[in-house]
Amino acid sequence: QKEVEQDPGPLSVPEGAIVSLNCTYSNSAFQYFMWYRQYSRKGPELLMYTYSSGNKEDGRFTAQVDKSSKYISLFIRDSQPSDSATYLCAIMTAAGNKLTFGGGTRVLVKP
Amino acid sequence: SQTIHQWPATLVQPVGSPLSLECTVEGTSNPNLYWYRQAAGRGLQLLFYSVGIGQISSEVPQNLSASRPQDRQFILSSKKLLLSDSGFYLCAWEEGSETQYFGPGTRLLVL
Repeated sequence: QKEVEQDPGPLSVPEGAIVSLNCTYSNSAFQYFMWYRQYSRKGPELLMYTYSSGNKEDGRFTAQVDKSSKYISLFIRDSQPSDSATYLCAIMTAAGNKLTFGGGTRVLVKP
Repeated sequence: SQTIHQWPATLVQPVGSPLSLECTVEGTSNPNLYWYRQAAGRGLQLLFYSVGIGQISSEVPQNLSASRPQDRQFILSSKKLLLSDSGFYLCAWEEGSETQYFGPGTRLLVL
């Protein structure tokens, strides 16, 4: 079993729809949770970072963490074609020094 | 603000040739630095990380090595490239042991 599981997609949605992405993890020692966006042939860009259970909102993006279920989510409201990318979840223990990544979910937002 | 540079952006090398990829970070002191490899359509695999000059930790046995000759410089090398070394190589720096920021990446094709 992988430490972090993420559906590879692709996830295709019409413009304006809500995009829902999620990851599950197995190690309860994970404390820091991140979402990265990666456009084709580019380096990953940090979108959201949180370390507590609950919701964190930033513009059209909401990150949700449920430590009891070992489940994290990213929601994108009012999706745009420019949101078409691969989204990677990444998790780190409190000791730091090592991010564990999900395999990424490819998202396509159709005009 | 902090900036991370990687070069070259793209590299095509024959099997058996040497490799040197460079990563430099600006705007921060004594960062933790990381090398990742991303195979096509897959997640990120941590190769090496460094917490200071001359300090290198290897995550997986492989045909590659890393060095950190200066505080903000991280180099990935190989004496003889294999076909399996092809991939997208990403350098990252870490802030406060909580989040990592990635460079633009180097796309390596070994023929």
